[in-house]
Amino acid sequence: DAGVIQSPRHEVTEMGQEVTLRCKPISGHDYLFWYRQTMMRGLELLIYFNNNVPIDDSGMPEDRFSAKMPNASFSTLKIQPSEPRDSAVYFCASTPHGGHTEAFFGQGTRLTVV
Amino acid sequence: AQSVTQPDIHITVSEGASLELRCNYSYGATPYLFWYVQSPGQGLQLLLKYFSGDTLVQGIKGFEAEFKRSQSSFNLRKPSVHWSDAAEYFCAVGLSNTGKLIFGQGTTLQVKP
Repeated sequence: DAGVIQSPRHEVTEMGQEVTLRCKPISGHDYLFWYRQTMMRGLELLIYFNNNVPIDDSGMPEDRFSAKMPNASFSTLKIQPSEPRDSAVYFCASTPHGGHTEAFFGQGTRLTVV
Repeated sequence: AQSVTQPDIHITVSEGASLELRCNYSYGATPYLFWYVQSPGQGLQLLLKYFSGDTLVQGIKGFEAEFKRSQSSFNLRKPSVHWSDAAEYFCAVGLSNTGKLIFGQGTTLQVKP
């Protein structure tokens, strides 16, 4: 398996623009997580899905952030409009099931909002 | 509330020296504990995990960690560090039944030649 695949790897956008980050989880994994990594806050969970259904989005910072999982092999994280403080590395991770399993992480998307 | 503390933000060791990275957690139930490593510009790779059983767990790249319930600790160790071990290390606690991870702030390891 190719692992968790994220695209793009790097994204530079202007403030106010819409940004869409993409993730393909490992086939057969039921859980998908979106994390954000910043110097100030470290790694924090934004939202996670179980069987394509959002379970907990309490980590989503504002209404500007939204995430979808239309099918088992694809998820998006969208920021609209983007702001400079959204600059971070965004990771997607998947697990075969919750609890007794490790999370497999993608390479991340480095987002810079100027 | 659940939390993970890594007291050392930055550690420098000489190549060949031993290493111990500290991790303390706060969690009301039986913890699932992990150590991940992140090389610059890369994602997180699992080093080892503890779910139950033997409190001394072995991982990849010669790393091991010991779970001590009485101290709420899960320290990572390696007897002899290699230059390629320079990276950032994250301790995490997994919330039961959800797979959610709470991460520590990370420890950056620098290895001197």
